[in-house]
Amino acid sequence: KQEVTQIPAALSVPEGENLVLNCSFTDSAIYNLQWFRQDPGKGLTSLLLIQSSQREQTSGRLNASLDKSSGRSTLYIAASQPGDSATYLCAVPYGGSQGNLIFGKGTKLSVKP
Amino acid sequence: DGGITQSPKYLFRKEGQNVTLSCEQNLNHDAMYWYRQDPGQGLRLIYYSQIVNDFQKGDIAEGYSVSREKKESFPLTVTSAQKNPTAFYLCASNGHRTDTQYFGPGTRLTVL
Repeated sequence: KQEVTQIPAALSVPEGENLVLNCSFTDSAIYNLQWFRQDPGKGLTSLLLIQSSQREQTSGRLNASLDKSSGRSTLYIAASQPGDSATYLCAVPYGGSQGNLIFGKGTKLSVKP
Repeated sequence: DGGITQSPKYLFRKEGQNVTLSCEQNLNHDAMYWYRQDPGQGLRLIYYSQIVNDFQKGDIAEGYSVSREKKESFPLTVTSAQKNPTAFYLCASNGHRTDTQYFGPGTRLTVL
Protein backbone atom coordinates (compact mmCIF):
# COMPACT_ATOMS: atom_id res chain seq x y z
CA LYS A 1 0.00 0.00 0.00
CA GLN A 2 1.30 3.42 -0.96
CA GLU A 3 2.50 5.58 1.93
CA VAL A 4 3.65 9.18 1.74
CA THR A 5 5.95 10.71 4.34
CA GLN A 6 7.01 14.31 4.79
CA ILE A 7 9.95 15.34 6.92
CA PRO A 8 10.28 17.56 8.86
CA ALA A 9 6.79 18.05 10.28
CA ALA A 10 7.63 21.67 11.07
CA LEU A 11 10.32 24.10 9.96
CA SER A 12 11.14 27.64 11.05
CA VAL A 13 13.55 29.77 9.03
CA PRO A 14 14.55 33.46 8.85
CA GLU A 15 13.34 35.52 5.92
CA GLY A 16 15.51 35.30 2.82
CA GLU A 17 16.75 31.77 3.42
CA ASN A 18 16.55 29.10 0.72
CA LEU A 19 14.92 25.90 1.95
CA VAL A 20 14.03 22.37 0.91
CA LEU A 21 10.98 20.36 1.88
CA ASN A 22 11.09 16.60 1.51
CA CYS A 23 8.51 14.05 0.42
CA SER A 24 9.01 10.29 0.13
CA PHE A 25 6.70 7.57 -1.16
CA THR A 26 6.92 3.80 -0.91
CA ASP A 27 5.60 2.68 -4.32
CA SER A 28 7.53 4.18 -7.23
CA ALA A 29 4.82 3.26 -9.78
CA ILE A 30 3.25 6.72 -9.80
CA TYR A 31 2.19 8.72 -12.83
CA ASN A 32 2.55 12.11 -11.14
CA LEU A 33 3.19 13.92 -7.86
CA GLN A 34 1.58 17.14 -6.67
CA TRP A 35 2.68 19.75 -4.18
CA PHE A 36 0.02 21.83 -2.42
CA ARG A 37 -0.04 24.74 -0.04
CA GLN A 38 -2.61 25.08 2.75
CA ASP A 39 -3.14 28.22 4.82
CA PRO A 40 -4.81 27.81 8.24
CA GLY A 41 -8.51 27.02 7.92
CA LYS A 42 -8.40 27.12 4.13
CA GLY A 43 -8.54 24.71 1.23
CA LEU A 44 -5.52 23.43 -0.69
CA THR A 45 -3.86 25.40 -3.46
CA SER A 46 -1.99 23.43 -6.10
CA LEU A 47 1.60 24.64 -6.48
CA LEU A 48 3.22 22.21 -8.88
CA LEU A 49 2.39 18.93 -10.60
CA ILE A 50 5.21 16.77 -11.89
CA GLN A 51 4.39 14.02 -14.35
CA SER A 52 6.30 10.74 -14.00
CA SER A 53 8.25 11.49 -17.19
CA GLN A 54 9.53 14.80 -15.79
CA ARG A 55 12.40 15.42 -13.38
CA GLU A 56 11.58 19.01 -12.43
CA GLN A 57 8.92 21.68 -12.51
CA THR A 58 9.40 25.35 -11.74
CA SER A 59 7.01 28.15 -10.86
CA GLY A 60 8.50 31.44 -9.77
CA ARG A 61 10.58 30.87 -6.64
CA LEU A 62 9.41 27.25 -6.37
CA ASN A 63 11.16 24.27 -7.89
CA ALA A 64 9.99 20.69 -7.43
CA SER A 65 12.03 17.64 -8.36
CA LEU A 66 11.00 14.02 -8.69
CA ASP A 67 13.16 10.89 -8.44
CA LYS A 68 10.82 7.95 -8.94
CA SER A 69 13.49 5.29 -8.55
CA SER A 70 14.35 6.46 -5.05
CA GLY A 71 10.78 7.36 -4.14
CA ARG A 72 11.55 11.00 -3.37
CA SER A 73 10.49 14.49 -4.26
CA THR A 74 11.76 17.82 -3.00
CA LEU A 75 10.22 21.28 -3.04
CA TYR A 76 12.82 24.03 -3.13
CA ILE A 77 11.75 27.54 -2.08
CA ALA A 78 14.17 30.30 -2.95
CA ALA A 79 14.53 33.53 -0.97
CA SER A 80 11.76 32.69 1.49
CA GLN A 81 9.29 35.39 2.57
CA PRO A 82 6.90 35.63 5.55
CA GLY A 83 4.04 35.14 3.08
CA ASP A 84 5.38 31.65 2.36
CA SER A 85 4.35 30.59 5.88
CA ALA A 86 1.85 27.76 5.46
CA THR A 87 1.60 23.98 5.50
CA TYR A 88 2.99 22.27 2.42
CA LEU A 89 1.56 18.90 1.38
CA CYS A 90 2.69 16.43 -1.22
CA ALA A 91 0.41 13.81 -2.75
CA VAL A 92 0.55 10.93 -5.21
CA PRO A 93 -2.32 9.22 -7.02
CA TYR A 94 -3.84 6.12 -5.51
CA GLY A 95 -3.08 4.11 -8.61
CA GLY A 96 -4.87 2.18 -11.31
CA SER A 97 -7.71 4.08 -12.93
CA GLN A 98 -8.46 6.10 -9.81
CA GLY A 99 -7.55 9.77 -9.56
CA ASN A 100 -7.85 10.18 -5.82
CA LEU A 101 -4.70 11.21 -3.99
CA ILE A 102 -2.73 9.86 -1.04
CA PHE A 103 -1.33 12.69 1.04
CA GLY A 104 1.56 13.15 3.39
CA LYS A 105 0.86 14.84 6.70
CA GLY A 106 2.56 18.01 5.59
CA THR A 107 5.40 20.28 6.64
CA LYS A 108 4.37 23.42 8.54
CA LEU A 109 6.66 26.23 7.44
CA SER A 110 7.15 29.43 9.39
CA VAL A 111 9.25 32.21 7.85
CA LYS A 112 10.29 34.81 10.43
CA PRO A 113 10.73 38.46 9.37
CA ASP B 1 -14.47 32.83 -12.69
CA GLY B 2 -14.11 29.05 -12.53
CA GLY B 3 -13.68 27.12 -9.33
CA ILE B 4 -15.13 24.95 -6.61
CA THR B 5 -17.52 26.25 -3.99
CA GLN B 6 -18.40 24.57 -0.73
CA SER B 7 -21.16 25.54 1.65
CA PRO B 8 -21.62 26.23 4.41
CA LYS B 9 -18.20 27.31 5.67
CA TYR B 10 -19.10 26.28 9.23
CA LEU B 11 -21.69 23.68 10.24
CA PHE B 12 -22.84 22.52 13.63
CA ARG B 13 -24.56 19.20 14.16
CA LYS B 14 -26.41 17.82 17.11
CA GLU B 15 -26.10 14.19 18.08
CA GLY B 16 -28.33 11.98 15.90
CA GLN B 17 -28.72 14.49 13.08
CA ASN B 18 -27.88 14.01 9.42
CA VAL B 19 -26.28 16.99 7.70
CA THR B 20 -25.43 17.63 4.06
CA LEU B 21 -22.36 19.46 2.81
CA SER B 22 -22.59 21.09 -0.59
CA CYS B 23 -19.88 20.99 -3.30
CA GLU B 24 -20.34 22.67 -6.68
CA GLN B 25 -17.81 23.12 -9.51
CA ASN B 26 -18.00 25.04 -12.78
CA LEU B 27 -14.74 23.67 -14.19
CA ASN B 28 -16.50 21.06 -16.35
CA HIS B 29 -14.58 18.33 -14.52
CA ASP B 30 -15.74 14.72 -14.67
CA ALA B 31 -14.12 13.55 -11.43
CA MET B 32 -14.99 14.81 -7.95
CA TYR B 33 -13.70 13.79 -4.52
CA TRP B 34 -14.47 14.23 -0.83
CA TYR B 35 -11.65 14.22 1.72
CA ARG B 36 -11.65 14.55 5.47
CA GLN B 37 -8.84 16.35 7.34
CA ASP B 38 -8.16 15.90 11.06
CA PRO B 39 -5.46 17.69 13.07
CA GLY B 40 -2.10 15.95 12.76
CA GLN B 41 -3.33 13.63 10.03
CA GLY B 42 -3.17 13.79 6.30
CA LEU B 43 -6.24 14.07 4.16
CA ARG B 44 -8.25 10.85 3.89
CA LEU B 45 -10.58 9.94 1.04
CA ILE B 46 -14.28 9.47 1.86
CA TYR B 47 -15.92 9.03 -1.58
CA TYR B 48 -15.10 9.77 -5.17
CA SER B 49 -16.99 9.95 -8.45
CA GLN B 50 -15.48 9.70 -11.91
CA ILE B 51 -18.72 10.26 -13.83
CA VAL B 52 -22.32 11.30 -13.28
CA ASN B 53 -24.52 8.69 -11.56
CA ASP B 54 -21.51 6.68 -10.42
CA PHE B 55 -19.41 6.86 -7.25
CA GLN B 56 -17.11 4.65 -5.18
CA LYS B 57 -16.21 4.37 -1.51
CA GLY B 58 -12.88 5.63 -0.33
CA ASP B 59 -10.90 4.58 2.72
CA ILE B 60 -13.30 5.97 5.35
CA ALA B 61 -16.80 5.82 3.80
CA GLU B 62 -18.62 4.41 6.82
CA GLY B 63 -21.23 6.85 8.12
CA TYR B 64 -21.22 8.95 4.95
CA SER B 65 -23.27 8.96 1.75
CA VAL B 66 -23.05 10.85 -1.55
CA SER B 67 -24.94 11.39 -4.78
CA ARG B 68 -23.84 12.53 -8.25
CA GLU B 69 -26.95 13.47 -10.20
CA LYS B 70 -25.29 16.38 -12.01
CA LYS B 71 -21.77 16.84 -13.30
CA GLU B 72 -21.42 20.08 -11.34
CA SER B 73 -22.57 18.81 -7.96
CA PHE B 74 -21.33 16.20 -5.47
CA PRO B 75 -23.05 16.62 -2.07
CA LEU B 76 -21.86 14.70 0.99
CA THR B 77 -24.24 13.63 3.75
CA VAL B 78 -22.82 12.94 7.18
CA THR B 79 -25.22 10.52 8.83
CA SER B 80 -25.84 9.81 12.49
CA ALA B 81 -23.90 6.57 11.99
CA GLN B 82 -20.66 8.55 11.72
CA LYS B 83 -19.45 8.45 15.31
CA ASN B 84 -16.75 11.10 15.12
CA PRO B 85 -17.76 13.60 12.43
CA THR B 86 -16.01 16.68 13.79
CA ALA B 87 -13.44 17.51 11.10
CA PHE B 88 -12.58 19.75 8.16
CA TYR B 89 -14.15 18.48 4.91
CA LEU B 90 -12.62 19.25 1.53
CA CYS B 91 -14.11 18.72 -1.91
CA ALA B 92 -11.91 18.46 -5.01
CA SER B 93 -12.18 17.84 -8.73
CA ASN B 94 -10.13 17.22 -11.84
CA GLY B 95 -10.78 16.58 -15.49
CA HIS B 96 -8.68 13.45 -15.72
CA ARG B 97 -6.83 11.33 -13.16
CA THR B 98 -3.48 12.66 -14.37
CA ASP B 99 -4.52 16.28 -14.09
CA THR B 100 -4.03 18.78 -11.31
CA GLN B 101 -6.62 18.35 -8.59
CA TYR B 102 -8.40 21.53 -7.51
CA PHE B 103 -9.83 22.02 -4.06
CA GLY B 104 -12.71 23.99 -2.58
CA PRO B 105 -12.36 26.20 0.52
CA GLY B 106 -13.66 23.51 2.89
CA THR B 107 -16.45 23.08 5.43
CA ARG B 108 -15.69 22.79 9.13
CA LEU B 109 -18.19 20.49 10.84
CA THR B 110 -18.53 20.48 14.60
CA VAL B 111 -20.70 18.14 16.64
CA LEU B 112 -22.34 19.80 19.63
